[in-house]
Order: sequence, then structure tokens, then C-alpha cells
Amino acid sequence: QLQLQESGPGLVKPSETLSLTCTVSGGSISSSSHFWGWIRQPPGKGLEWIGSIYYSGNTYYNPSLKSRAIISVDTSKNQFSLKLTSVTAADSGVYYCARHGNVVVDPAAMGFDYWGQGALLTVSS
Amino acid sequence: DIQMTQSPSTLSASVGDRVTITCRASQSISSWLAWYQQKPGTAPKLLIYKASGLESGVPSRFSGSGSGTEFTLTISSLQPDDFATYYCQQYNSYPWTFGQGTKVDIK
Repeated sequence: QLQLQESGPGLVKPSETLSLTCTVSGGSISSSSHFWGWIRQPPGKGLEWIGSIYYSGNTYYNPSLKSRAIISVDTSKNQFSLKLTSVTAADSGVYYCARHGNVVVDPAAMGFDYWGQGALLTVSS
Repeated sequence: DIQMTQSPSTLSASVGDRVTITCRASQSISSWLAWYQQKPGTAPKLLIYKASGLESGVPSRFSGSGSGTEFTLTISSLQPDDFATYYCQQYNSYPWTFGQGTKVDIK
């Protein structure tokens, strides 16, 4: 059974950089059929897609983050990571890592089918 | 960006009711739409992919329909486990976007 687990600091000061890692177990991050993504949810609000990465390093980002987000992959550790620079209170919330399909392999399978449990991030001095 | 608008924002219903949630896209997304269920303190769960495909393990009382700009999620007979918030998400084009959510609560 595929499992994803986020890890990170929980509390970050304004203007600093958030770093989160998602560890994938029960399957390979080097699957040609899948991308790996980050989604966040401010307290009491809806979901926002941050970006996604393929095992080769190919990435897609939400322009709303204004280039503050950087997603990377480490296939040797079966992990992918998110760095978010210059954080503000508006970046507080739960950050999820999740898997979705590869449009080249199966355009239908593009929903996020496996999710981590979520990591709560608070931006505060 | 493609805007996704769900209605209603909140829906009060009873066990056994037929429930329908609507999701409208600001431009055509063909059938590239997913539906999720989220309960408090937990990650969203994929219910429907490609507008009408039922994800493995999801009860058959859930169904999706629509194409283009208008989509619906229907729960044929609401069960106690179904009280939750539901989100639609388009994956027609980047950036992928979600609806604002529909909370289904107990009448």
C-alpha cells in the first residue's frame, strides 16, 4: 500500500524559508506513470495546488506563488521536497503531498489518488 | 487561471436523501474534473476522476456527470459517513484549481 508522509518544522518565522519533505513508501517515486505534488490548505479554507514534479525533475508550478516555490526530488531516498521562500502569515496552513497521474500515460488518471496526512505550518515570529 | 465555482456552499440534508452538488468552470475543461471528499483533520479523498469515473473502493452511491463547464456530484442515498466537505478540481490546464468546497451537514 502506497504511503506518503510529510515532515517539516511546523513553525517558521516571517521572511524565512519553509522546507518540507515528503517520503514515499510502498512504491517507487521513479514511476513513469505518476507525478508528485504539493497542495496546501489555509485554516478553515479551501485547497490550493502549489506544484508537481516528475521523477526526472520536470516541474510545474502555480504562478500564484510568484516563483517562491521550489520543488525537488531525490529518487535515491524516494522523497520529494518543497521549499517556499519569504513566507508570511498568509502561508500558514496544512501542507499535503500527494500523487497524481502522468497525462502522457493516462490522461484520465490525473486526480490526486494518494495523499499524505498533512503537515501543519505556522508562520509567526 | 480557470475558476471553479461550487454550489451550494453549504447543504443541509438527512440520511437517505439524494444530494447533488454542482461545479462550474469558467471555461471548458472537457471532462478533466475530479471530486474529493474531506473530513475534518484529514486529507481529501479522491471519489471521482474524469468527471464520471468512480475511484476504486468508493461506494456506488457516489456518481459524477457533466462535461465542458458544468458538472455534478450526486450521492444517491446519503449515509452518516458522507457528512463532509466536497471539492471539485480541474486538471484541464495548469495551474490546477479547486472549487471553494461544499459542506454537507446534518439537517
